[in-house]
Amino acid sequence: SQKIEQNSEALNIQEGKTATLTCNYTNYSPAYLQWYRQDPGRGPVFLLLIRENEKEKRKERLKVTFDTTLKQSLFHITASQPADSATYLCALDSNYQLIWGAGTKLIIKP
Amino acid sequence: GAVVSQHPSRVICKSGTSVKIECRSLDFQATTMFWYRQFPKKSLMLMATSNEGSKATYEQGVEKDKFLINHASLTLSTLTVTSAHPEDSSFYICSASLTLLNRGHYNEQFFGPGTRLTVL
Repeated sequence: SQKIEQNSEALNIQEGKTATLTCNYTNYSPAYLQWYRQDPGRGPVFLLLIRENEKEKRKERLKVTFDTTLKQSLFHITASQPADSATYLCALDSNYQLIWGAGTKLIIKP
Repeated sequence: GAVVSQHPSRVICKSGTSVKIECRSLDFQATTMFWYRQFPKKSLMLMATSNEGSKATYEQGVEKDKFLINHASLTLSTLTVTSAHPEDSSFYICSASLTLLNRGHYNEQFFGPGTRLTVL
């Protein structure tokens, strides 16, 4: 069966450290994968897109990697701040749709 | 840029009434709009995809007559929950895409702030 999995447990990180979130998928062959941020009671906000032929993509303190062999994407936030606390969703394309993970809640402690 | 608004942000209604939710792209023309439903701590569930001027494509298990979608213009799509019941209570989110869905092409979606529907 097709699945996209993100760690359902909240991730607690100390301020200033690097937070790493994982997105694993099975039985998909996405052309690209996206990461979004969602705050409580709000719609998701697009952060980064990485294509299947890209290994890594960076944007300010954010870095995304995409390993199509492992079928995994890692999302890193360096020098994390309490304002980075949110739920982060990954989404991949399949048959012209975006398939969404359930998200991982990230908590940055001061 | 690429702002999507949604109205209302919160609605409480009695069972049996119909509720209309509006989704607008404020500063761009949205070729495609999507309607999602999200339960607490769950992933976004795509309900339907609509292109301006054509009928919406509903996902399997989503009742067309229950969730009426109208995409009358490139900047407005509406979702009407007809004869709402308590099990329809959820967080409804719309999003808009600048490009037609096409494998391999950039497909960033811009989301509205969501509508919290509570049916008593």
